[in-house]
Amino acid sequence: GAVVSQHPSWVICKSGTSVKIECRSLDFQATTMFWYRQFPKQSLMLMATSNEGSKATYEQGVEKDKFLINHASLTLSTLTVTSAHPEDSSFYICSAPDRRREKLFFGSGTQLSVL
Amino acid sequence: KQEVTQIPAALSVPEGENLVLNCSFTDSAIYNLQWFRQDPGKGLTSLLLIQSSQREQTSGRLNASLDKSSGRSTLYIAASQPGDSATYLCAVRSNSGYALNFGKGTSLLVTP
Repeated sequence: GAVVSQHPSWVICKSGTSVKIECRSLDFQATTMFWYRQFPKQSLMLMATSNEGSKATYEQGVEKDKFLINHASLTLSTLTVTSAHPEDSSFYICSAPDRRREKLFFGSGTQLSVL
Repeated sequence: KQEVTQIPAALSVPEGENLVLNCSFTDSAIYNLQWFRQDPGKGLTSLLLIQSSQREQTSGRLNASLDKSSGRSTLYIAASQPGDSATYLCAVRSNSGYALNFGKGTSLLVTP
């Protein structure tokens, strides 16, 4: 089946540093990828839609200058959390639709802890 | 805006019991509904996908139903096992795109 690879799986960083998370579609092309965030005991919330070759679309309340998204190829999207703070600590997960199956396939997620 | 609610938030059952997880959504104009399993600190595993035109889907011990007009779906797990312990998420895709709206999940614990 379709596979989406995401890494790192977890990262611990100091406050003020930037963290990059990669999301790759391994056996299919993804013109669109989605980035979700999940705080403890909360639902997965869509942060932004990443579009290959164009600017990402951010959901209301998500700072585009803080969460930089780059979708430079049909198989790779990256999310960079800039100047991370403890309140950014969360579980971040990406997904991509496989048009043939009309399903969303998810990466394994990244647990970010900002000290 | 689509709101997805899952009840109960947590459930603990002894091994072997049959159980039902509930999901409701506010906007019936959906494209499909998907049930996922999430293990702690890990990604999501898709369990069942029901298209808006379908009433139910089955896979092994799992059966998911969809009543679009009433905005409800249920996930039935037969003969539960300790390995079924996880958080189960319901997610709805609208007619207007690929992104999913998730419920908060039901945390299931199956005790031996």
